[in-house]
Order: sequence, then structure tokens, then C-alpha cells
Amino acid sequence: GAGVSQSPRYKVAKRGQDVALRCDPISGHVSLFWYQQALGQGPEFLTYFQNEAQLDKSGLPSDRFFAERPEGSVSTLKIQRTQQEDSAVYLCASSLDLSQAYSFGYTFGSGTRLTVV
Amino acid sequence: SQQGEEDPQALSIQEGENATMNCSYKTSINNLQWYRQNSGRGLVHLILIRSNEREKHSGRLRVTLDTSKKSSSLLITASRAADTASYFCATGGGGGGNKLTFGTGTQLKVEL
Repeated sequence: GAGVSQSPRYKVAKRGQDVALRCDPISGHVSLFWYQQALGQGPEFLTYFQNEAQLDKSGLPSDRFFAERPEGSVSTLKIQRTQQEDSAVYLCASSLDLSQAYSFGYTFGSGTRLTVV
Repeated sequence: SQQGEEDPQALSIQEGENATMNCSYKTSINNLQWYRQNSGRGLVHLILIRSNEREKHSGRLRVTLDTSKKSSSLLITASRAADTASYFCATGGGGGGNKLTFGTGTQLKVEL
């Protein structure tokens, strides 16, 4: 596609429910990032993939958060047993590769707004 | 955690005026990027400046970088109502690794 696509756009989950958030990066983009953005804050890094390899997951806040990108394209961020503090916008970003990103920046999706009630 | 601070946190100006936002960061960097975010939307890349550059222009945007002070500024000239958004600086590479590390953001409101 022309841009990074994220779905669903909005998700309301009951506390304790599991959720799965999807990111479709731009076709051919090797680098993929997930960020979490709390209300009124800047995005915070969660995890980074290069193709199917998860090279950095240091930002995942707990073992309830899990991300995968099995075929090196679509990525899924899964949150188990959601809690109210998980309420945030989850952003996905991609770039052709890091060299391109260091020259031209990243393309972000519109995000998934997760509300845990 | 956030890389650093942006100031001001909020800025309100009249259409046609210039808007200046400042960003400070903490670690060494390869590059510094500025992004715009409209309410409820994703981030849009505006401009990137490398650590060996001091100033860069793109249309109505001018960004400066002072690596000795670990600071950057974004100037938007002749602002328009459509420039109303939140603006974030983000650093890449260097001590922060491959990820982008964002600042806290400046909310810009441009009034008619």
C-alpha cells in the first residue's frame, strides 16, 4: 500500500481481555517499529524488527506485551490481560532500512487507540 | 523514557507570525528529526538534520542543531491555521541505538 496501515483504528477492551493490534508496513520496508503514546506525551519505543527478526524489545513494559512479524511484513502487537495503564495510542512505523531512515525518517501509521475499561 | 524536553509545551500565535520550538536531548545522536501530529492522527515526518549539519531548510521550515549544547530548534515561518498541531523532535542513532527517542512535544495553535 501507499502508507503504513494499522488496524483496528479504535479498540475498547475490558480489563483482563487480550488484544491484538495489526500493522501493515509499506511493501518492502525492512525496518518496523512499535511505539506507545500515552495521552499528552511523546511516543515511547516498544520494539524493533528488521525483517522477521526482533532485534530490540527493550521497551516492552512487561511480559504481557508480545510482538511478532513472522514473514517479515505484517506485524502484530499482542497485549495479554490488559490493564487500565495500557490505555494509549499504539503507533507503528516503517522504513526501507535504517540507512534510509537515517536520511529520510520514518513513515508512521495513524495508530490504534486502545482504551481499557 | 523520553529523550528530553521541548519548550514551550504550548504556543499560541496569529496566522502569519513565526513559530519557534526548541528541543533538548541527552545522548549522542546520528540525526535529529521533527514530526508533526494532528489530533488523533499519526506522526508525519517533517525534516531530518544529521549530527554533522548545523542548519537545514525545507519550505517554510528551518531547523538548527547544536550538538555541543544537545539542542535543536524548529522555526515555522509565516504560519497558517493548518499548521496547528503537536510537534515532536526525535533523535536517532548514537547513544540511543536504532530506535527514535521522542521529546515531550510542543502544542502549536495558529489562530486566524
